[in-house]
Amino acid sequence: AQTVTQSQPEMSVQEAETVTLSCTYDTSESNYYLFWYKQPPSRQMILVIRQEAYKQQNATENRFSVNFQKAAKSFSLKISDSQLGDTAMYFCAFMKRTTGTASKLTFGTGTRLQVTL
Amino acid sequence: NAGVTQTPKFQVLKTGQSMTLQCAQDMNHEYMSWYRQDPGMGLRLIHYSVGAGITDQGEVPNGYNVSRSTTEDFPLRLLSAAPSQTSVYFCASSYNGGGYEQYFGPGTRLTVT
Repeated sequence: AQTVTQSQPEMSVQEAETVTLSCTYDTSESNYYLFWYKQPPSRQMILVIRQEAYKQQNATENRFSVNFQKAAKSFSLKISDSQLGDTAMYFCAFMKRTTGTASKLTFGTGTRLQVTL
Repeated sequence: NAGVTQTPKFQVLKTGQSMTLQCAQDMNHEYMSWYRQDPGMGLRLIHYSVGAGITDQGEVPNGYNVSRSTTEDFPLRLLSAAPSQTSVYFCASSYNGGGYEQYFGPGTRLTVT
């Protein structure tokens, strides 16, 4: 079974600054996907970024980028130029890539990020 | 497209009552799933389905039933509600396999007294 660990329950960053959220995972699989989801106070789950484990290049989406270290089983999220709208709970999630396997997500416990003025 | 819809948004039940949480999607997704979200525990998978007529258990299935008679609908039934089932419930859907993005509904906040 896979486990996903987010060791930072809460973090705070000032507007326009950069913040990094940590995520580690444990799996015996060699092919998988990793995701960061954002949950703002509205409660809606929104995909932030996705990484395929077989790709060495780190994924980026505008101000969001990841540092994927496969050997260390680490998948951190960097938010640059933080904005007030980035205030949310952030969840790291894992999905196996085996052919025919259902698209089940395993989530971490989340990091609550507060962006301040 | 409406995406993933869930009803109701809020519900209060008494212990022992039963109810069905509704979930529907209009994206022709094969994969649908139910999660519960509890403080400090993230989202945990209750049940999932990879197509009409096919369902399976997730991490925390006890006390819940599902069925998938159509591609669009995936209702979650609470058989005899317990206070431990107080939670926020999310339905999600996606194409199956390939690491596709899962689309989430707006959630149902359920309180069992």
